Amino acid sequence: GAVVSQHPSRVICKSGTSVKIECRSLDFQATTMFWYRQFPKQSLMLMATSNEGSKATYEQGVEKDKFLINHASLTLSTLTVTSAHPEDSSFYICSARPMTGAADTQYFGPGTRLTVL
Amino acid sequence: AQSVTQLDSQVPVFEEAPVELRCNYSSSVSVYLFWYVQYPNQGLQLLLKYLSGSTLVKGINGFEAEFNKSQTSFHLRKPSVHISDTAEYFCAVSDPAGAAGNKLTFGGGTRVLVKP
Repeated sequence: GAVVSQHPSRVICKSGTSVKIECRSLDFQATTMFWYRQFPKQSLMLMATSNEGSKATYEQGVEKDKFLINHASLTLSTLTVTSAHPEDSSFYICSARPMTGAADTQYFGPGTRLTVL
Repeated sequence: AQSVTQLDSQVPVFEEAPVELRCNYSSSVSVYLFWYVQYPNQGLQLLLKYLSGSTLVKGINGFEAEFNKSQTSFHLRKPSVHISDTAEYFCAVSDPAGAAGNKLTFGGGTRVLVKP
Protein backbone atom coordinates (compact mmCIF):
# COMPACT_ATOMS: atom_id res chain seq x y z
CA GLY A 1 0.00 0.00 0.00
CA ALA A 2 0.92 3.65 -0.25
CA VAL A 3 3.28 4.86 2.43
CA VAL A 4 3.86 8.34 3.73
CA SER A 5 6.77 9.00 6.06
CA GLN A 6 7.54 11.93 8.32
CA HIS A 7 10.86 12.97 9.72
CA PRO A 8 11.60 13.46 12.49
CA SER A 9 9.04 11.49 14.45
CA ARG A 10 9.80 13.49 17.57
CA VAL A 11 11.67 16.74 18.14
CA ILE A 12 12.39 18.85 21.17
CA CYS A 13 13.71 22.34 20.65
CA LYS A 14 14.33 25.54 22.53
CA SER A 15 12.03 28.50 22.27
CA GLY A 16 13.03 30.81 19.42
CA THR A 17 14.56 28.16 17.20
CA SER A 18 13.15 26.89 13.90
CA VAL A 19 12.19 23.31 13.21
CA LYS A 20 11.74 21.63 9.84
CA ILE A 21 9.47 18.63 9.40
CA GLU A 22 9.60 16.52 6.24
CA CYS A 23 6.74 14.64 4.67
CA ARG A 24 7.55 12.11 1.96
CA SER A 25 5.43 9.88 -0.21
CA LEU A 26 7.58 6.79 -0.55
CA ASP A 27 6.00 4.82 -3.35
CA PHE A 28 3.80 7.29 -5.19
CA GLN A 29 3.82 10.83 -6.46
CA ALA A 30 1.66 13.39 -4.75
CA THR A 31 0.58 16.63 -6.36
CA THR A 32 -1.13 17.70 -3.16
CA MET A 33 -0.10 17.33 0.45
CA PHE A 34 -1.97 18.50 3.51
CA TRP A 35 -0.59 19.60 6.86
CA TYR A 36 -2.61 19.10 10.03
CA ARG A 37 -2.10 19.98 13.64
CA GLN A 38 -3.47 17.95 16.51
CA PHE A 39 -3.51 19.07 20.12
CA PRO A 40 -3.64 16.43 22.86
CA LYS A 41 -6.93 14.57 22.91
CA GLN A 42 -8.33 16.77 20.17
CA SER A 43 -9.12 16.43 16.52
CA LEU A 44 -6.99 17.25 13.51
CA MET A 45 -7.13 20.79 12.26
CA LEU A 46 -6.09 21.47 8.69
CA MET A 47 -3.34 24.07 8.57
CA ALA A 48 -2.58 24.28 4.88
CA THR A 49 -2.83 22.63 1.51
CA SER A 50 0.42 22.28 -0.37
CA ASN A 51 0.57 21.86 -4.13
CA GLU A 52 3.77 20.90 -5.87
CA GLY A 53 5.45 23.86 -7.50
CA SER A 54 3.12 26.51 -6.14
CA LYS A 55 2.46 28.40 -2.95
CA ALA A 56 0.60 26.71 -0.18
CA THR A 57 -2.96 27.65 0.68
CA TYR A 58 -3.33 28.36 4.38
CA GLU A 59 -6.46 27.97 6.43
CA GLN A 60 -7.92 30.94 8.21
CA GLY A 61 -6.02 31.80 11.34
CA VAL A 62 -2.81 30.02 10.36
CA GLU A 63 0.17 32.35 10.13
CA LYS A 64 1.96 31.94 6.81
CA ASP A 65 5.18 33.44 8.10
CA LYS A 66 5.13 31.22 11.14
CA PHE A 67 4.51 27.96 9.35
CA LEU A 68 6.50 27.89 6.13
CA ILE A 69 5.54 25.19 3.66
CA ASN A 70 7.59 24.10 0.70
CA HIS A 71 6.52 21.46 -1.80
CA ALA A 72 9.47 21.30 -4.13
CA SER A 73 8.90 17.87 -5.61
CA LEU A 74 6.13 15.34 -6.16
CA THR A 75 7.33 13.28 -3.21
CA LEU A 76 8.39 15.84 -0.62
CA SER A 77 6.77 18.64 1.32
CA THR A 78 8.32 20.40 4.29
CA LEU A 79 6.81 22.37 7.13
CA THR A 80 9.11 24.77 8.96
CA VAL A 81 7.95 26.15 12.28
CA THR A 82 9.83 29.41 12.59
CA SER A 83 10.79 30.96 15.92
CA ALA A 84 8.98 28.22 17.76
CA HIS A 85 7.33 28.91 21.11
CA PRO A 86 5.83 26.55 23.69
CA GLU A 87 2.34 27.12 22.31
CA ASP A 88 3.52 25.58 19.02
CA SER A 89 4.04 22.28 20.79
CA SER A 90 1.73 19.84 19.08
CA PHE A 91 1.45 16.73 16.94
CA TYR A 92 1.88 17.61 13.27
CA ILE A 93 0.52 15.19 10.69
CA CYS A 94 0.81 15.33 6.93
CA SER A 95 -1.17 13.53 4.29
CA ALA A 96 -0.57 13.05 0.60
CA ARG A 97 -2.98 12.71 -2.29
CA PRO A 98 -1.69 10.48 -5.09
CA MET A 99 -1.30 12.01 -8.50
CA THR A 100 -3.22 9.11 -10.01
CA GLY A 101 -6.30 7.42 -8.72
CA ALA A 102 -9.34 8.67 -6.85
CA ALA A 103 -9.26 12.31 -5.78
CA ASP A 104 -10.83 11.44 -2.43
CA THR A 105 -7.81 9.40 -1.39
CA GLN A 106 -5.31 10.69 1.15
CA TYR A 107 -2.58 8.72 2.86
CA PHE A 108 -1.45 9.93 6.24
CA GLY A 109 2.01 10.07 7.71
CA PRO A 110 2.74 8.80 11.22
CA GLY A 111 3.04 12.30 12.64
CA THR A 112 5.74 14.42 14.26
CA ARG A 113 5.54 15.38 17.89
CA LEU A 114 7.04 18.80 18.48
CA THR A 115 7.88 19.95 21.99
CA VAL A 116 9.12 23.49 22.44
CA LEU A 117 10.79 24.21 25.77
CA ALA B 1 -18.68 24.95 4.87
CA GLN B 2 -19.04 21.59 6.54
CA SER B 3 -18.95 20.52 10.15
CA VAL B 4 -18.80 17.13 11.84
CA THR B 5 -20.06 16.21 15.28
CA GLN B 6 -19.08 13.04 17.04
CA LEU B 7 -21.53 12.74 19.85
CA ASP B 8 -19.44 10.56 22.14
CA SER B 9 -15.97 11.61 23.19
CA GLN B 10 -15.34 8.27 24.92
CA VAL B 11 -16.88 4.84 24.57
CA PRO B 12 -15.88 2.08 26.95
CA VAL B 13 -16.87 -1.37 25.76
CA PHE B 14 -16.18 -4.92 26.79
CA GLU B 15 -14.29 -7.29 24.54
CA GLU B 16 -16.54 -9.18 22.11
CA ALA B 17 -19.39 -6.72 22.66
CA PRO B 18 -20.76 -4.59 19.81
CA VAL B 19 -19.92 -0.93 19.49
CA GLU B 20 -21.48 2.00 17.66
CA LEU B 21 -19.78 5.34 17.18
CA ARG B 22 -22.06 8.18 16.22
CA CYS B 23 -21.27 10.81 13.64
CA ASN B 24 -23.48 13.61 12.35
CA TYR B 25 -22.49 16.15 9.75
CA SER B 26 -23.71 19.43 8.43
CA SER B 27 -23.26 20.55 4.86
CA SER B 28 -25.10 22.50 2.21
CA VAL B 29 -23.72 20.28 -0.53
CA SER B 30 -23.25 16.59 -1.11
CA VAL B 31 -20.24 15.25 0.69
CA TYR B 32 -17.96 12.28 0.88
CA LEU B 33 -17.82 10.64 4.31
CA PHE B 34 -14.93 8.85 5.99
CA TRP B 35 -14.00 7.03 9.16
CA TYR B 36 -10.36 6.93 10.24
CA VAL B 37 -8.66 5.18 13.14
CA GLN B 38 -5.66 6.53 15.01
CA TYR B 39 -3.56 4.34 17.26
CA PRO B 40 -1.43 6.07 19.93
CA ASN B 41 1.26 8.34 18.50
CA GLN B 42 0.49 7.29 14.96
CA GLY B 43 -1.09 8.84 11.90
CA LEU B 44 -4.54 8.04 10.60
CA GLN B 45 -5.61 4.88 8.83
CA LEU B 46 -8.71 4.78 6.65
CA LEU B 47 -11.37 2.37 7.90
CA LEU B 48 -14.00 3.02 5.26
CA LYS B 49 -15.57 5.68 3.11
CA TYR B 50 -18.86 6.56 1.47
CA LEU B 51 -18.76 8.26 -1.88
CA SER B 52 -22.02 7.19 -3.49
CA GLY B 53 -24.19 4.15 -4.08
CA SER B 54 -25.09 1.68 -1.37
CA THR B 55 -25.60 3.39 1.95
CA LEU B 56 -24.10 0.50 3.89
CA VAL B 57 -20.34 0.56 3.61
CA LYS B 58 -18.05 -2.20 4.79
CA GLY B 59 -14.49 -1.45 5.78
CA ILE B 60 -11.43 -3.08 7.21
CA ASN B 61 -11.18 -4.92 10.51
CA GLY B 62 -14.86 -5.83 10.53
CA PHE B 63 -16.17 -2.27 10.69
CA GLU B 64 -19.15 -0.99 8.75
CA ALA B 65 -21.02 2.29 8.55
CA GLU B 66 -24.37 3.41 7.26
CA PHE B 67 -25.01 6.68 5.50
CA ASN B 68 -28.36 8.22 6.34
CA LYS B 69 -28.98 11.31 4.25
CA SER B 70 -32.21 12.35 5.98
CA GLN B 71 -30.55 12.25 9.38
CA THR B 72 -27.19 13.48 8.06
CA SER B 73 -25.50 10.68 9.92
CA PHE B 74 -22.73 8.20 9.23
CA HIS B 75 -22.54 5.94 12.27
CA LEU B 76 -19.77 3.36 12.58
CA ARG B 77 -20.41 -0.12 13.96
CA LYS B 78 -18.60 -3.31 14.77
CA PRO B 79 -20.51 -6.37 15.99
CA SER B 80 -17.72 -7.73 18.18
CA VAL B 81 -14.70 -5.71 19.29
CA HIS B 82 -11.22 -6.85 20.20
CA ILE B 83 -8.70 -5.39 22.60
CA SER B 84 -6.75 -4.24 19.57
CA ASP B 85 -9.64 -1.96 18.56
CA THR B 86 -8.71 0.38 21.41
CA ALA B 87 -7.93 3.60 19.57
CA GLU B 88 -9.23 7.02 18.60
CA TYR B 89 -11.78 7.11 15.79
CA PHE B 90 -12.42 10.12 13.61
CA CYS B 91 -15.31 10.83 11.32
CA ALA B 92 -14.57 13.21 8.45
CA VAL B 93 -16.28 14.81 5.48
CA SER B 94 -15.04 16.38 2.30
CA ASP B 95 -16.66 18.39 -0.44
CA PRO B 96 -15.75 16.71 -3.71
CA ALA B 97 -16.72 19.76 -5.72
CA GLY B 98 -14.97 22.26 -3.49
CA ALA B 99 -12.35 24.60 -4.89
CA ALA B 100 -9.70 23.18 -2.61
CA GLY B 101 -10.50 19.70 -3.73
CA ASN B 102 -11.42 17.17 -1.08
CA LYS B 103 -10.18 18.96 2.01
CA LEU B 104 -11.13 16.90 5.02
CA THR B 105 -13.05 18.31 7.96
CA PHE B 106 -12.75 16.11 11.04
CA GLY B 107 -15.01 15.52 13.97
CA GLY B 108 -13.72 15.76 17.49
CA GLY B 109 -12.91 12.07 17.73
CA THR B 110 -14.21 9.20 19.84
CA ARG B 111 -11.87 7.31 22.09
CA VAL B 112 -12.77 3.62 22.24
CA LEU B 113 -11.48 1.68 25.21
CA VAL B 114 -12.00 -2.06 24.97
CA LYS B 115 -11.96 -3.80 28.31
CA PRO B 116 -11.25 -7.51 28.82
